[in-house]
Amino acid sequence: EVQLVESGGGLVKPGGSLRLSCAASGFTFSSYSMNWVRQAPGKGLEWVSSISSSSSYIYYADSVKGRFTISRDNAKNSLYLQMNSLRAEDTAVYYCARRGSAVAGHRDAFDIWGQGTMVTVSS
Amino acid sequence: QSALTQPASVSGSPGQSITISCTGTSSDVGSYNLVSWYQQHPGKAPKLMIYEGSKRPSGVSNRFSGSKSGNTASLTISGLQAEDEADYYCCSYAGSSTFLFGGGTKLTVL
Repeated sequence: EVQLVESGGGLVKPGGSLRLSCAASGFTFSSYSMNWVRQAPGKGLEWVSSISSSSSYIYYADSVKGRFTISRDNAKNSLYLQMNSLRAEDTAVYYCARRGSAVAGHRDAFDIWGQGTMVTVSS
Repeated sequence: QSALTQPASVSGSPGQSITISCTGTSSDVGSYNLVSWYQQHPGKAPKLMIYEGSKRPSGVSNRFSGSKSGNTASLTISGLQAEDEADYYCCSYAGSSTFLFGGGTKLTVL
């Protein structure tokens, strides 16, 4: 079964740090670009960051640039998001999502999502 | 990087058709035929319903269809069913592996 499972969320104080993980299974993880997408409580989806299959290309939304770092370990089939200098507005459910491709199908769409992990930034 | 514009809510009766619009700019929706649509039920992860503007993933009902004209993409759901009641989000590729989502539309089946 194709699956993404996030972990690492929790309650953190403003200015603090947190590292999210996403474990992939059921597909060739190293062949896909992976992304983080977040959703603040009662709000819409917001793309956060993207990393190419070999980690050669990394991109961030302006709202997190300089504070968040995306990375991956293809040997461990895992995706990570290091979040530093956290703010109240970073409070959200964080989803990892697989990005489809022209070769694999579902080009430039997020075709597999995890269940999400909640991050709460509050004093 | 402004969010794409969607109506906050739409509604329809069972069996009817509805259309949700998604308006962007010439830098995102208008530049790429790479709009995707997601369905999200409360407390659940989003589910891909349409990709590349009008293509359906395997397993998605053919009652769901997508189109695009200029800077505006649209999702049409025909033969509305109770289980279609959910939030719907559009998303466009915006270049350099970045993406923009719409604000979301709440669909109510009356």
